[in-house]
Amino acid sequence: EVQLVESGGGLVQPGGSLRLSCAASGFTFSPYWMHWVRQAPGKGLVWVAGINSDGSGTRYADSVKGRFTISRDNAKNTLYLQMDSLRAEDTAVYYCARHFFGSSGCPWGQGTLVTVSS
Amino acid sequence: DVVLTQSPLSLPVTLGQPASISCRSSQSLVHSDGNTYLNWFQQRPGQSPRRLIYKVSNRDSGVPDRFSGSGSGTDFTLKISRVEAEDVGVYYCMQGTQWPPWTFGQGTKVEIK
Repeated sequence: EVQLVESGGGLVQPGGSLRLSCAASGFTFSPYWMHWVRQAPGKGLVWVAGINSDGSGTRYADSVKGRFTISRDNAKNTLYLQMDSLRAEDTAVYYCARHFFGSSGCPWGQGTLVTVSS
Repeated sequence: DVVLTQSPLSLPVTLGQPASISCRSSQSLVHSDGNTYLNWFQQRPGQSPRRLIYKVSNRDSGVPDRFSGSGSGTDFTLKISRVEAEDVGVYYCMQGTQWPPWTFGQGTKVEIK
């Protein structure tokens, strides 16, 4: 069964850091672009960051550029999102998702909640 | 950035009746490779998003055939031929032709009358 499982969310103070993980199973992780998408409470979906198959190419939304870092470990089948200098507006459920336009499906994780508050 | 505008934002539907959601793009979504990278996602209450349609009109495995996608250029439509109770949720269009960023529409909430 194809599965993506996020972890690492929690409560953090403004200015703090968190590292999210997304463990992939049930498919060959290495060939795919992977993405992080977030959803603030009661709001819509917003793309945050993406990374290519070997990790050599990364892209970020302007709102997180310079503060967030996406990375991957293909040996461990795991995607990461290092979040620094967190702000209240970063509060959201963070989802990892596999390549959006593949013909073999587009699985998403269950999401992990990040709350930035003092 | 490409802006996707969905309408309506709220769609009350009678069970068994059809439903239609529009997604309009601020720029053409035809890629230089000839493909159009426009997807539709469903998000049921309390669940993660699920892709229904990819590249305008290709239905994902396991998606009921009452869901269909169509359109070209800047105008796209998701249709549900006969709404069932399990179709309640929020539907998002999403583009990947001009990236970054990959962008989503605001979402359309489908509810039963």
